[in-house]
Amino acid sequence: GAGVSQSPRYKVAKRGQDVALRCDPISGHVSLFWYQQALGQGPEFLTYFQNEAQLDKSGLPSDRFFAERPEGSVSTLKIQRTQQEDSAVYLCASSFKFGRESLGYTFGSGTRLTVV
Amino acid sequence: AQSVAQPEDQVNVAEGNPLTVKCTYSVSGNPYLFWYVQYPNRGLQFLLKYITGDNLVKGSYGFEAEFNKSQTSFHLKKPSALVSDSALYFCAVRDISGGSYIPTFGRGTSLIVHP
Repeated sequence: GAGVSQSPRYKVAKRGQDVALRCDPISGHVSLFWYQQALGQGPEFLTYFQNEAQLDKSGLPSDRFFAERPEGSVSTLKIQRTQQEDSAVYLCASSFKFGRESLGYTFGSGTRLTVV
Repeated sequence: AQSVAQPEDQVNVAEGNPLTVKCTYSVSGNPYLFWYVQYPNRGLQFLLKYITGDNLVKGSYGFEAEFNKSQTSFHLKKPSALVSDSALYFCAVRDISGGSYIPTFGRGTSLIVHP
């Protein structure tokens, strides 16, 4: 598609519920990033994929967070047993390929997760 | 390690006046530097980047930024601010010599342009 698509745009989850957030990157973009943006803060890195390989998951805050990109295109960020501190906007970004970041990173509009 | 600092939480400027949003960075090697803008309830939109070459980089919507290696700064500027420029601005850095794949973002600066 023309841009990075994220769904749902908004998600309200009850504490303890599992959620799945989807990211559909720009076709042909090899690199995919997930960021968490708390209210009034900058994006904080969660995890990075190059194709289907998860090369860095050092930013995932706990083992309740899991991300996958099985076919090297669409990615899903899953949060198990959601807690109130998980409330944030989850941003997905993609870029053409590692080493070609001169083309920039394209962000989706994000998924705003509210845990009640 | 790589990091970026945006020392101002908020910048206020009158419409028509020049604006500057500050950014300083820290890397062990050479940086790629980026500026993004975020409007309410939207994702980040790319404004401009410094990769190599000219220290003065021109980007979207009349914005520009100057890479200053000695001061490790990459301040965002615009000669004449518009009310529609009011938004959140994020600076980001990636240390291309440090082997990091990941851009690090600053906390953001809220730009408010008054009519």
